[in-house]
Amino acid sequence: QSALTQPASVSGSLGQSITISCTGTSSDIGSHNLVSWYQQDPGEAPKVIIFEGTKRPSGVSNRFSGSKSGNTASLTISGLQAEDEADYYCCSYAGGVDYVFGTGTRVTVL
Amino acid sequence: QLQVVQSGAEVKNPGASVRISCKTSASIFNKDYVHWVRQAPGQGLEYVGVSYPGGPTGSARTFLGRLTLSRDTSTNTVYMGLSDLKFEDTAVYYCATEEPRTGSFDSWGQGTLVTVSS
Repeated sequence: QSALTQPASVSGSLGQSITISCTGTSSDIGSHNLVSWYQQDPGEAPKVIIFEGTKRPSGVSNRFSGSKSGNTASLTISGLQAEDEADYYCCSYAGGVDYVFGTGTRVTVL
Repeated sequence: QLQVVQSGAEVKNPGASVRISCKTSASIFNKDYVHWVRQAPGQGLEYVGVSYPGGPTGSARTFLGRLTLSRDTSTNTVYMGLSDLKFEDTAVYYCATEEPRTGSFDSWGQGTLVTVSS
């Protein structure tokens, strides 16, 4: 199972909105609604910020939103803040007992 | 406080085996799926496998034949064993819980660094 494709880096200014894409195939993102997104600070474990494609766990800011179209999922961060600077990973169920992660995106706040 | 606590760092020779533990609460252990994810130094996340309540397990294809997942019901602990270690198995290994069928890895352990070195 090949990793999902994400841009290596995305940057934006304070208060701006950015979108991170996550491209898979008809075997993973295209076939299942179990897409999740994780935020990871350096040296820390990942933290889920979106699950089932569009849902936010309690306690996660509503500035984070997810969507999906065909084989591509997207994460949008609106009103970018300094604390959003981190690595972001998408993940999709791929059938059976398999999951596949994205290649990861480093978000920089200018 | 952490709901999921992992065992400490390990250093192993190539060809050896390693076993990492992941201790949870009884409520999590009896209900949730426990997944394993690894991250090589400076690299992204890689899916390893899953342990289901009651005992069934699953492995990503990359680890078939080398991965052993087990549970100890007396201590609410899930174990991940990896055999025939290679240099490229050097990574931080995380366990993470999933409320069934949500596809969301909710609670993560602090990670266990496994270093394969001669």
